Amino acid sequence: SQQGEEDPQALSIQEGENATMNCSYKTSINNLQWYRQNSGRGLVHLILIRSNEREKHSGRLRVTLDTSKKSSSLLITASRAADTASYFCATAASGTYKYIFGTGTRLKVLA
Amino acid sequence: KAGVTQTPRYLIKTRGQQVTLSCSPISGHRSVSWYQQTPGQGLQFLFEYFSETQRNKGNFPGRFSGRQFSNSRSEMNVSTLELGDSALYLCASSLLGQGIQETQYFGPGTRLLVL
Repeated sequence: SQQGEEDPQALSIQEGENATMNCSYKTSINNLQWYRQNSGRGLVHLILIRSNEREKHSGRLRVTLDTSKKSSSLLITASRAADTASYFCATAASGTYKYIFGTGTRLKVLA
Repeated sequence: KAGVTQTPRYLIKTRGQQVTLSCSPISGHRSVSWYQQTPGQGLQFLFEYFSETQRNKGNFPGRFSGRQFSNSRSEMNVSTLELGDSALYLCASSLLGQGIQETQYFGPGTRLLVL
């Protein structure tokens, strides 16, 4: 399967704590994106990191990318109950329009 | 701007039937992609259209087909439905059709149940 792997598969934390999830992929990529999905609904784009970037921030989100290890991580700081969702990384093999999504991490933030 | 809309939102069909799902992208967006999401297989790419041309297709049987119209609206069709086709079908659009270089905007999905 070309699908990326994410770990952990599920994560449960208390409100205010940080949440870290990791994504590994298999092909050479140009960019990598992270998306959030709330309970079986559509995905919402969170952040895009280009292959020549090592770290990117957006609000409480911090994404890192290590192309030598073919991996990325998403850190959510000071988590809130509203962050409860599934998080997916997405890549595409260079030169294609075919998104490959990771298996996802289910995050539950307890109030 | 209105977001990506998908119709219908829920659908129940029986094995052997066919189904057509519709997706209206954000106004001005030229690329539309379709995905199938199931608990077992996760999010799987079906196909991508840009200016009425299919540019990429995922690893799905020929029973899955799609098209895009001149106004960028897209439909996907599944013929001879099987139980395993039960899934959430997601449509996404992007402005320039640059793939992973730009953001995709997802619709709420159509939940298909095959009995």
